[in-house]
Amino acid sequence: NAGVTQTPKFQVLKTGQSMTLQCAQDMNHNSMYWYRQDPGMGLRLIYYSASEGTTDKGEVPNGYNVSRLNKREFSLRLESAAPSQTSVYFCASSEFWGSGEQFFGPGTRLTVL
Amino acid sequence: GNSVTQMEGPVTLSEEAFLTINCTYTATGYPSLFWYVQYPGEGLQLLLKATKADDKGSNKGFEATYRKETTSFHLEKGSVQVSDSAVYFCALSDPSSGSARQLTFGSGTQLTVLP
Repeated sequence: NAGVTQTPKFQVLKTGQSMTLQCAQDMNHNSMYWYRQDPGMGLRLIYYSASEGTTDKGEVPNGYNVSRLNKREFSLRLESAAPSQTSVYFCASSEFWGSGEQFFGPGTRLTVL
Repeated sequence: GNSVTQMEGPVTLSEEAFLTINCTYTATGYPSLFWYVQYPGEGLQLLLKATKADDKGSNKGFEATYRKETTSFHLEKGSVQVSDSAVYFCALSDPSSGSARQLTFGSGTQLTVLP
């Protein structure tokens, strides 16, 4: 039982490049989330998927897109990376939308030069 | 809107010292409150929770009591260990907020425990 897995662990991009962060959970959870973590700012919600087939914007969605591929997988895409997107990205899942009991992946450290 | 305010760190303690990390919140409804912990290089893990006023959450020697009158949820531990060194996040979830029922985090408090 791996919980929430994320790939890659580290990534360096140049401004304007694109990439997709992958996330998968094996707990049969309905809801999945993407957060970014910046120093002194806690975690901020980028996008979420309350259930399979739905996605919605969170607090800081600009510059990102998401896809809920199936119940297990939820990907985050940066179409044209900017230095302001340098951050640590966490995927999380929960049994249902609105549950504060979320399970987090190990994170992806992204640097945009 | 909802918000969480944590005491600023970093906090440095000696092993076996008493720990308090303050957390206060603002919410429109009746939120559930959480403490998450992030060990170096890892994702966040739920440490404890409380879902209604006067509830006490506890886990691994840590405790926090949901105080509605002071809108607080302070984290305490009687005797910290080196292995408790981590970043601690207070958070709330407000089921009455409709579409805004997301988890709202504080900014985190870095704890370092010295042997």
